[in-house]
Amino acid sequence: KQEVTQIPAALSVPEGENLVLNCSFTDSAIYNLQWFRQDPGKGLTSLLLIQSSQREQTSGRLNASLDKSSGRSTLYIAASQPGDSATYLCAVLDSNYQLIWGAGTKLIIKP
Amino acid sequence: DAGITQSPRHKVTETGTPVTLRCHQTENHRYMYWYRQDPGHGLRLIHYSYGVKDTDKGEVSDGYSVSRSKTEDFLLTLESATSSQTSVYFCAISLGTDTDTQYFGPGTRLTVL
Repeated sequence: KQEVTQIPAALSVPEGENLVLNCSFTDSAIYNLQWFRQDPGKGLTSLLLIQSSQREQTSGRLNASLDKSSGRSTLYIAASQPGDSATYLCAVLDSNYQLIWGAGTKLIIKP
Repeated sequence: DAGITQSPRHKVTETGTPVTLRCHQTENHRYMYWYRQDPGHGLRLIHYSYGVKDTDKGEVSDGYSVSRSKTEDFLLTLESATSSQTSVYFCAISLGTDTDTQYFGPGTRLTVL
């Protein structure tokens, strides 16, 4: 059974720092890996989708990598801003076309 | 926001009562999903639909049923609500195929007393 883990559960960094969020999964048979952002009391917003054949995707200050063989993905955020404060979730699309989710990393950027 | 609305946004009900949550989309997308989100568990798939009258079970489908009689509406029903079904429920759509990214509604917070 696919399991997705995100460590740490919470992270607090000063504004301006570059940071990395981690995601690991147990079964490499995935179609893609997706990163989402969730603001308190709100729905989820898609950030990046990496196909299983890809190694990374970039959008603005965000860069996501995927190492399928080792079951790992990272989300790199450059020059963090207070507006980046949110919970970040990763999810893998498994062989049954279902998204399996991590529990998220709560990120706080201190001004 | 992909035109997804959920109703109600908040609901408090008692154990044993039936509850129906509605997800509505405005753009005729084929794939629709219901998730629940609980602290420490991330999101878990309840049911999904790949077209009118075509639905299937997800990871945590026990105690839930769904219906999709029109492309734009996907209903989630708790036949007899239990306290363990207290959660935040999210509806999502996929813009293209089932491998595309999903777009989420604002969620429904359900409390079962």
